[in-house]
Amino acid sequence: DGGITQSPKYLFRKEGQNVTLSCEQNLNHDAMYWYRQDPGQGLRLIYYSQIVNDFQKGDIAEGYSVSREKKESFPLTVTSAQKNPTAFYLCASRAREPQTQYFGPGTRLLVL
Amino acid sequence: ILNVEQSPQSLHVQEGDSTNFTCSFPSSNFYALHWYRWETAKSPEALFVMTLNGDEKKKGRISATLNTKEGYSYLYIKGSQPEDSATYLCAFAAGGTSYGKLTFGQGTILTVHP
Repeated sequence: DGGITQSPKYLFRKEGQNVTLSCEQNLNHDAMYWYRQDPGQGLRLIYYSQIVNDFQKGDIAEGYSVSREKKESFPLTVTSAQKNPTAFYLCASRAREPQTQYFGPGTRLLVL
Repeated sequence: ILNVEQSPQSLHVQEGDSTNFTCSFPSSNFYALHWYRWETAKSPEALFVMTLNGDEKKKGRISATLNTKEGYSYLYIKGSQPEDSATYLCAFAAGGTSYGKLTFGQGTILTVHP
């Protein structure tokens, strides 16, 4: 089945620890995105990548890093510099036109 | 950061009621306006993508209209059913250097009571 997978479903981070959230797609989409959702807020863009080996900061990139070494994969690292990492993280990929984004099931990150 | 606003924040209706909500977005550098439905424990799912001023889209009991000159879109649900309960998100796509990015509103949470 074509789609987007994210793992893990739940992730616990200790103070000062970096953690990596996985996102894989088999839709053959060039563009991929990471969003964060906090209660009462919409989806906010962290990073996005329009093509392999290239990515751009979104609106709230501080404390996060990404890589795009393969078309299928766009992992997000939440670094120790992100002081408020507790949130729900969604990954998406985009068809060329009409730019519809397809979302994964999300990862909930909690701080111990 | 672009400003995309949705109203109301939440809405409770009875089964069979018709309802509508609003998305307002910048009227300049418009490329497309998206609507998504996000049911609890599922991923957001695309409903509509609208690109032209005056566009109207329909999918079953759900329809949407677009006014790019004044920067708003309406989503209508006719004869709401409990299975319509979800968060409805709109997202604005700008053109130019922002191509490919979506800016989401905060969503409207719809609860349909049987």
